[in-house]
Amino acid sequence: DGGITQSPKYLFRKEGQNVTLSCEQNLNHDAMYWYRQDPGQGLRLIYYSQIVNDFQKGDIAEGYSVSREKKESFPLTVTSAQKNPTAFYLCASRKWDTNQPQHFGDGTRLSIL
Amino acid sequence: DQQVKQNSPSLSVQEGRISILNCDYTNSMFDYFLWYKKYPAEGPTFLISISSIKDKNEDGRFTVFLNKSAKHLSLHIVPSQPGDSAVYFCAASGSGNNRKLIWGLGTSLAVNP
Repeated sequence: DGGITQSPKYLFRKEGQNVTLSCEQNLNHDAMYWYRQDPGQGLRLIYYSQIVNDFQKGDIAEGYSVSREKKESFPLTVTSAQKNPTAFYLCASRKWDTNQPQHFGDGTRLSIL
Repeated sequence: DQQVKQNSPSLSVQEGRISILNCDYTNSMFDYFLWYKKYPAEGPTFLISISSIKDKNEDGRFTVFLNKSAKHLSLHIVPSQPGDSAVYFCAASGSGNNRKLIWGLGTSLAVNP
């Protein structure tokens, strides 16, 4: 079954620590995205990648970093520079053809201890 | 400034009746519009989309209508079922290589038995 897998489902971080959220897809999609959702808000784009070894900042990239070494994988690191990291993080992917929808994983909820 | 607006935070309808969710946008360069459904603690699920060359797209119980002159789209669900209770997000994108999605804040739909 093809899909997008995000792990872990829940993640706790101590202040000052970096944490990495995993996102893997077996849909052979070209583009991958990371979003953040806060209560009562829409989805805000953190980073996206159209092809391997290339990625672009979204609207709220400060305090985050990504890599795209493989087509299937797009991990997100939440660094200690992110002052308000508690949120629900969503990974998505899509084929790069025109008018193809993004498909999402089930998210990772990050909380600060 | 919100480029995609869902002005009703919540909507309640009776099972079997029609649900109409509305979305307004401000950017006339948007040419592709999508609706997603989201349950708590899960990722959004793609429902239906429409490109700007059409004014209607139908998929089973779901129909999306686009009024370009009014910069307005709506999602109709007929008949509504209790399992449709979720948050519905409207999203839009323009042409160009990145095709970033701009998201509304969502409308929470409750379908009462």
